[in-house]
Amino acid sequence: AQSVAQPEDQVNVAEGNPLTVKCTYSVSGNPYLFWYVQYPNRGLQFLLKYITGDNLVKGSYGFEAEFNKSQTSFHLKKPSALVSDSALYFCAVRLESYQTGANNLFFGTGTRLTVIP
Amino acid sequence: DAGITQSPRHKVTETGTPVTLRCHQTENHRYMYWYRQDPGHGLRLIHYSYGVKDTDKGEVSDGYSVSRSKTEDFLLTLESATSSQTSVYFCAIRAGSGNTIYFGEGSWLTVV
Repeated sequence: AQSVAQPEDQVNVAEGNPLTVKCTYSVSGNPYLFWYVQYPNRGLQFLLKYITGDNLVKGSYGFEAEFNKSQTSFHLKKPSALVSDSALYFCAVRLESYQTGANNLFFGTGTRLTVIP
Repeated sequence: DAGITQSPRHKVTETGTPVTLRCHQTENHRYMYWYRQDPGHGLRLIHYSYGVKDTDKGEVSDGYSVSRSKTEDFLLTLESATSSQTSVYFCAIRAGSGNTIYFGEGSWLTVV
């Protein structure tokens, strides 16, 4: 069965320091991986995705993620955290429905990032 | 902005009453989804649609039904609401290169 895990419920980082939000996955076949961010009382916003190719994926707001096949990880990173980065972050893996072509997403439980001024 | 409008955005209803949430999109996307968000569970798929009148169940479909009579609207119905259905409901569409899924702003439902 395909799954994704976010081992940390909460991550705290000082403003200006690098941040990492962890994600590990378990899929059969090639993984399609996504990161989303959710600000309070808002919907999820797409940050970036890995489909194939370069293991370092760059996304919105200065975020990037590194795909590591041997460690089955897809950690989200940013070189210098901002207070405005404080939010809930979700990792997701795409589940393919060959019958319908719907390609649904299976989500991790989320990691709350707090950037301390 | 994914061109998704959810309504109502907030609703309080009583146990046992029917509730319908509407998702409206303006960009003719084929695939639409309903997810619910609960603490400790992330987002879980309820139902999805792959075309007009074409729908299928997701991970947590019990107690929910959906309908899609036209491309732009995807309705989620709770036939008889229960307190366990208190949640935030998100509609989503699939679009763009790589078939990325984009979300609406959510509907907060409280069943008392």
